[in-house]
Amino acid sequence: DGGITQSPKYLFRKEGQNVTLSCEQNLNHDAMYWYRQDPGQGLRLIYYSQIVNDFQKGDIAEGYSVSREKKESFPLTVTSAQKNPTAFYLCASRGGAFFTDTQYFGPGTRLTVL
Amino acid sequence: GNSVTQMEGPVTLSEEAFLTINCTYTATGYPSLFWYVQYPGEGLQLLLKATKADDKGSNKGFEATYRKETTSFHLEKGSVQVSDSAVYFCAAPGTYKYIFGTGTRLKVLA
Repeated sequence: DGGITQSPKYLFRKEGQNVTLSCEQNLNHDAMYWYRQDPGQGLRLIYYSQIVNDFQKGDIAEGYSVSREKKESFPLTVTSAQKNPTAFYLCASRGGAFFTDTQYFGPGTRLTVL
Repeated sequence: GNSVTQMEGPVTLSEEAFLTINCTYTATGYPSLFWYVQYPGEGLQLLLKATKADDKGSNKGFEATYRKETTSFHLEKGSVQVSDSAVYFCAAPGTYKYIFGTGTRLKVLA
């Protein structure tokens, strides 16, 4: 089955720790995205990547970092500089013809700071 | 750039009631429009899409028509079920980013 996988489903972080959230896709999509969702809120874009070895900051990139070494993978690191990281994190990829393409989402990772 | 405006929630309906969730858009050209659904604790799932003006997307009893004259893409369902309780997002692609509405929470009571 084609799709996007995220791991782990639940993640607990102690204060001052960096943690890395995994995102893998087998849809052969060039573009990948990371969003943050707080309880009862919409989506906020953290980082996006249009192509391997290139990525751009989104609206709330401070305290986060990413890499895009492979087309299939777009891991997100939540650093200790992110002061309020408890949230639901969603990875997505996008494919298709320009302006008619579709974005697909993974199942999400719920991060809790202890 | 492209933008979408979605009606505020929450929307609370009785089972078998008619559902409308409003979405209007502003866009350069005529991009595809989308509705996504998010069930509690899950990621977003594509519910339906329309790729051009006057196109109707449909799935699982939900429908939405891409109306150029009113710049709207309202989501409708004739008879909602308890299992439809979720958050619904209207969306449109931008040049590099997707543009999402703020989400509308639907609660269906038995």
